[in-house]
Order: sequence, then structure tokens, then C-alpha cells
Amino acid sequence: NAGVMQNPRHLVRRRGQEARLRCSPMKGHSHVYWYRQLPEEGLKFMVYLQKENIIDESGMPKERFSAEFPKEGPSILRIQQVVRGDSAAYFCASSLDRPYNTEAFFGQGTRLTVV
Amino acid sequence: DAKTTQPTSMDCAEGRAANLPCNHSTISGNEYVYWYRQIHSQGPQYIIHGLKNNETNEMASLIITEDRKSSTLILPHATLRDTAVYYCIVRSPNSGGSNYKLTFGKGTLLTVNP
Repeated sequence: NAGVMQNPRHLVRRRGQEARLRCSPMKGHSHVYWYRQLPEEGLKFMVYLQKENIIDESGMPKERFSAEFPKEGPSILRIQQVVRGDSAAYFCASSLDRPYNTEAFFGQGTRLTVV
Repeated sequence: DAKTTQPTSMDCAEGRAANLPCNHSTISGNEYVYWYRQIHSQGPQYIIHGLKNNETNEMASLIITEDRKSSTLILPHATLRDTAVYYCIVRSPNSGGSNYKLTFGKGTLLTVNP
């Protein structure tokens, strides 16, 4: 019973490049959430997706960031033209069909370093 | 979501019980108390949640006061691997609003000492 799988675990990008972070939810989970943890800060909600739909992206920066959760395959968090301030740990979580009274399970995160 | 207050840090001796308090004096009647922890460089890990009755699972026990204004997470026999930041979060189960978000505060850094 695999948990939430994120890859890569570590990603180094030069300023201006694109970063693509992948998240495979737990089996049977159709709700995915992305959180970001800046160095020495707490986790902040970014976006909530169901299959093929973005439900809430209120925590996403307005530019350069996008997320998708296609019918087939993992959820993708995409950061275009990365800057040093994007360096952080990005965590994905998933939950069952009813997210309101069930727990969310997190992956081990992708640590993005922009050089 | 109601706000929570936790001590910044705590120490515990290995093998002893770790009791982590959380104040949530503005909690609403239908809001659950959730606990997560984050071991260094890892993703948050769900521990336990409850509404008003005490709860126990293989990881911990959750004691919620009768007025629900505070709770205590108990790790009965702390090990070195329990050193982590522990987050207490209150969350509504209702399907309205944005209660699917988990609002992480600063949590309590529990250090288990040999």
C-alpha cells in the first residue's frame, strides 16, 4: 500500500529554467493538495485539485506557477522561469473522495533549489 | 478555522510519555482537532484526530477537555525517532468554505533525549 509518491526528491534548476514536480496520490485518492514550505517557515497551502479540475488555487502565486491533475497520471506542479525565491520544499498530499472529515496523507516532498 | 496555541518547544526523556498541549479556546462545536508531525526533512505525517471523545491509535492518544478548549497529544513511550515538530490543527468537517486546507502554525518542537 504505497503512500503518496513525489519525484524527484531533489531538484536543482538555474534561474529562468522550468521546474516540474510530480505527485502520485495514494491508491483510491482523487483529491490532491500542494503545499510549500519556505526555509525556516511553516507549510502554506497552494492549490487543491480533483481529477481534471482545479478546485482552489488561492495559494498559488499569480504568475509562473500552474498545477494540473489529469485523468491519467500524476499531478504536476509546474514553475516556469524559476527564481531564487522559489527555492523551497514542495509537499503534495492526497485524501479520499470526501476531504472534509478525512485525514490527508503527505508525500516526502520535492526540495527545489534554484541556483 | 479556529486558531491554536502550542508551546514552541518541549523536551522529553526517551522511554517516558510525551504530553504535548494545545489550546484552541475558540473552537466551534463541529470542528475536529487534528495532529500532524514533521520529522526533519520529511513530509508531515498524520497522527490522530478527534471531536470530543478521547481517541487512541497505534501512534498516540488524544485527550480533549470537556469544554473542548484544549487538548493533549500523548506519546506513551517516546523514542528518539519521535523528535519532530508537532502541529495541532482544528478543522471543520462541513463541506462549505475552504476547510479542506490544513493551516499549519509553528507547532511544538519535541526533542526526545537519550
